[in-house]
Amino acid sequence: EVQLVESGGGLVKPGGSLRLSCAASGFTFSSYSMNWVRQAPGKGLEWVSSISSSSSYIYYADSVKGRFTISRDNAKNSLYLQMNSLRAEDTAVYYCARLWNHGMDVWGKGTTVTVSS
Amino acid sequence: EIVLTQSPATLSLSPGERATLSCRASQSVSSYLAWYQQKPGQAPRLLIYDASNRATGIPARFSGSGSGTDFTLTISSLEPEDFAVYYCQQRSNWPREFTFGPGTKVDIK
Repeated sequence: EVQLVESGGGLVKPGGSLRLSCAASGFTFSSYSMNWVRQAPGKGLEWVSSISSSSSYIYYADSVKGRFTISRDNAKNSLYLQMNSLRAEDTAVYYCARLWNHGMDVWGKGTTVTVSS
Repeated sequence: EIVLTQSPATLSLSPGERATLSCRASQSVSSYLAWYQQKPGQAPRLLIYDASNRATGIPARFSGSGSGTDFTLTISSLEPEDFAVYYCQQRSNWPREFTFGPGTKVDIK
């Protein structure tokens, strides 16, 4: 079964850091670009970052550029998001999603990040 | 930055009716447009990719059309499980980014 499972969310104070992980299974992880997408409580979807299959190309939304770092380990079938200098507005459910034909065809269930003092 | 606008914000319909959802881009996105369905507490599900292609396992009552700046998602006959929020999403080459529309909620009339 094709599956993505996020972990690493939690409660963190403003200015703090958190590292999210996404474990992939059921497909050849190293062949796909991957994304992080977030959704603030009661709000719509916001793309956060993308990484190509071999990590050669990395892109970020302006809202997280300079604070978040996306990475992957194809040997471990894992995707990561290092989040630094967290703000209240980063509070959201964070999803990892597989890129396919300009869309995202496989999504995890998400992990919740809450930034609050 | 390409901005996506979805209309209407809310669509109130009855089961069996036809739903027509619109997504408009601030500049051409060619056919690089996808549609998603999201139900409360669930992750989004890809319905349509590249404007008009149904994703794997998506029922034929869902169809997409359009190119350039104007796109439409049509649900030919609403089933009870189709009441949800629908998002469009584009992928641009420069700057390389993805953008989601604000969503259209389809609720039961």
